[in-house]
Amino acid sequence: AQTVTQSQPEMSVQEAETVTLSCTYDTSENNYYLFWYKQPPSRQMILVIRQEAYKQQNATENRFSVNFQKAAKSFSLKISDSQLGDTAMYFCAFTKGGSEKLVFGKGTKLTVNP
Amino acid sequence: DSGVTQTPKHLITATGQRVTLRCSPRSGDLSVYWYQQSLDQGLQFLIQYYNGEERAKGNILERFSAQQFPDLHSELNLSSLELGDSALYFCASSVGGQNQETQYFGPGTRLLVL
Repeated sequence: AQTVTQSQPEMSVQEAETVTLSCTYDTSENNYYLFWYKQPPSRQMILVIRQEAYKQQNATENRFSVNFQKAAKSFSLKISDSQLGDTAMYFCAFTKGGSEKLVFGKGTKLTVNP
Repeated sequence: DSGVTQTPKHLITATGQRVTLRCSPRSGDLSVYWYQQSLDQGLQFLIQYYNGEERAKGNILERFSAQQFPDLHSELNLSSLELGDSALYFCASSVGGQNQETQYFGPGTRLLVL
């Protein structure tokens, strides 16, 4: 079974600084997909970024980028120029593909301080 | 706004009761997923439907059931409710198919069992 581990329960960063959230996963699959979702205090689950395992290039969405290391089974999220609105729980998620279920990590609570 | 709608937003009920949670997927999406988010278990996959048919089952209790209707909306039925069923229940949808499409989440239904 696939597992996703987020080793940082809580993190904090100053506004405008950069922060990196860690995620590791375990799978025997060769092709799969990884996601970061953000859950602000409203509890809505918002997609931040997605990475296909077959793509070597790291995904980027504006201030959000990932460092995908397939051999190490590592998928970290970098947030640049942190904003107060980035304060949220961040969940790393894995799926085998083919419209399969998502397997989530336990989340990292990020606080951006003014 | 993800395009996925869920009703009701909040639900307060008593132990032993039965409730129905409703989800309407994004326009054009054929797959619907149900997830439960609780403090102790994190985000867990319950069940998936694709174009009206059950496709996958996760950690769904026998007291819980779901269905997807011809108009593709889905309902999650929870019966003989226990205190431990208090949680945030999410519905997500995706296009469905062989390639992994991103799952978009609804705002969730907060269930409190007293």
